[in-house]
Amino acid sequence: EVQLVESGGGLVKPGGSLRLSCAASGFTFSSYSMNWVRQAPGKGLEWVSSISSSSSYIYYADSVKGRFTISRDNAKNSLYLQMNSLRAEDTAVYYCARSHVVPAAVDYWGQGTLVTVSS
Amino acid sequence: QLVLTQSPSASASLGASVKLTCTLSSGHSSYAIAWHQQQPEKGPRYLMKLNSDGSHSKGDGIPDRFSGSSSGAERYLTISSLQSEDEADYYCQTWGTGILVFGGGTKLTVL
Repeated sequence: EVQLVESGGGLVKPGGSLRLSCAASGFTFSSYSMNWVRQAPGKGLEWVSSISSSSSYIYYADSVKGRFTISRDNAKNSLYLQMNSLRAEDTAVYYCARSHVVPAAVDYWGQGTLVTVSS
Repeated sequence: QLVLTQSPSASASLGASVKLTCTLSSGHSSYAIAWHQQQPEKGPRYLMKLNSDGSHSKGDGIPDRFSGSSSGAERYLTISSLQSEDEADYYCQTWGTGILVFGGGTKLTVL
């Protein structure tokens, strides 16, 4: 069974940093591209970043470019999102999501981790 | 610019059918999309990938009640024999060079 479990969310002050993790299991992690998608309270889904299976291709939404960094460790079956210079508008539930290639259809989602940016 | 447009809301009666629409922006009518369901207080769930010719491949465990179809720039999700648990937000998603794009979502109410 495919499982994606996010962690690392929490309350952080504006300008602060946070690192999200996503632990993957139930599939060959190194063969799949991965994505971060977020959802602000009461709002729709917003793509954040994507990374190919070997980290050769990395993409960011304009809203996070230069502040967020996506990475992965295939030996640990883990995906990461380093978030710096956080703003109130980054407050959202962050979902880890799988796709076969990047960019492509997301075919599995995690349950999400909440990031709150507030003073 | 690659944009997906969805109606904010839809409603249908228990046991009936409903057809949700996702419209691709001009110049992108050949793009495939994916449909996702998000039940209240839950993470999204992948339903299917839908191609421009109407062919689709569903996710694991998705009931036959869910089907997809296409016409021009429109992509449809049809849910038949509506059940209470189908009350959810439905998002379409597509992709372009270096980007993923989501529609604004349709909130489906089962009456």
